[in-house]
Amino acid sequence: DTAVSQTPKYLVTQMGNDKSIKCEQNLGHDTMYWYKQDSKKFLKIMFSYNNKELIINETVPNRFSPKSPDKAHLNLHINSLELGDSAVYFCASSQWGDRGRETQYFGPGTRLLVL
Amino acid sequence: ELKVEQNPLFLSMQEGKNYTIYCNYSTTSDRLYWYRQDPGKSLESLFVLLSNGAVKQEGRLMASLDTKARLSTLHITAAVHDLSATYFCAVPLGTYKYIFGTGTRLKVLA
Repeated sequence: DTAVSQTPKYLVTQMGNDKSIKCEQNLGHDTMYWYKQDSKKFLKIMFSYNNKELIINETVPNRFSPKSPDKAHLNLHINSLELGDSAVYFCASSQWGDRGRETQYFGPGTRLLVL
Repeated sequence: ELKVEQNPLFLSMQEGKNYTIYCNYSTTSDRLYWYRQDPGKSLESLFVLLSNGAVKQEGRLMASLDTKARLSTLHITAAVHDLSATYFCAVPLGTYKYIFGTGTRLKVLA
């Protein structure tokens, strides 16, 4: 059973298009995250959600709009894609506040290439 | 702003050798996490260090945490090729946020 799943795994699209990435976790965690990993492997948090509520928005352009329909799902919609959006996007989940369960579980990543 | 720095950024080592990766962070934290990322893959958890002086070992890897020095180390003993990967440390900041280190790309040569 996959703990954190993301779809699609690969996304190739033209500048200006709109795309969505979906994420689901079956670990029962309350907290979910979106990260962006650039070509230098640097990993930066974009959003954190806890119990479907947005907690952290790390000065991400408002072309990026996350949505959490329930605790197990966190989707990311990107409008008007730009070349600089090309990266790997990881979804993750954890149980924040429970010191023994705060480690994050990551999805397989979505490799986005904007042409 | 919390900074999490790892060194070295790149490490090429021979099989059988020992080496240490360092993770320094700039603000107070009582816990730290280590992750491994294989090329083209996702991140997987290696160690969870929850207090000052914590030491965890798994196979050829051993991690420790010194919260007073704001330093964690990941020690590799008798490296093997299978350990080739990128290693990240991560520090929680405030609430519902983790800051990841710059990553250390390890290549173990046969």
